[in-house]
Amino acid sequence: GAVVSQHPSWVICKSGTSVKIECRSLDFQATTMFWYRQFPKQSLMLMATSNEGSKATYEQGVEKDKFLINHASLTLSTLTVTSAHPEDSSFYICSATRDVEREGYTFGSGTRLTVV
Amino acid sequence: DAKTTQPPSMDCAEGRAANLPCNHSTISGNEYVYWYRQIHSQGPQYIIHGLKNNETNEMASLIITEDRKSSTLILPHATLRDTAVYYCIVSLEINNYGQNFVFGPGTRLSVLP
Repeated sequence: GAVVSQHPSWVICKSGTSVKIECRSLDFQATTMFWYRQFPKQSLMLMATSNEGSKATYEQGVEKDKFLINHASLTLSTLTVTSAHPEDSSFYICSATRDVEREGYTFGSGTRLTVV
Repeated sequence: DAKTTQPPSMDCAEGRAANLPCNHSTISGNEYVYWYRQIHSQGPQYIIHGLKNNETNEMASLIITEDRKSSTLILPHATLRDTAVYYCIVSLEINNYGQNFVFGPGTRLSVLP
């Protein structure tokens, strides 16, 4: 099936620094990718929709200036957590679809961010 | 809010069938039922989805009631590796132009040896 790759799988950063997370569709092109956040023992929450060549669409309550999304090519979307704080520590997951009718949406393996 | 309700947890004996229920009484006519699972510290894995008819693939079977207000995911021969949180999601099938996936808390399935 389709493969969505995330990098890094985990990262530890100091408070106040910025962290970039990459999401790649390995064997297909994705004009749209989706970013989720998951806190411990909670479910996934959609943060934003990343659109190739245009601005991302953010869900209510998600600060667009804090979570910068860049979808510069058909196979890569990046999420940058700017001026990270400990409360941004979470599991970040992206998704995309190659053929939604047959395969549904494919999720990346996630990135564990810890801000110290 | 999620449009589905699932039991918070279930146990299943290894080798037996695991039947995971999901209620979606407010589902609309053009919404699909998707099932995903998430093994600890990994991204969700697609299992199966359907609209009206029952569906089967190499992983599982999906049984949707005639009124579409509920469904059951069946893992025919559960193994220890099937221990995960299972999410039932109701969503429009929008190809690449949007996604309205709302994840509820899911069902934590524990497959016991």
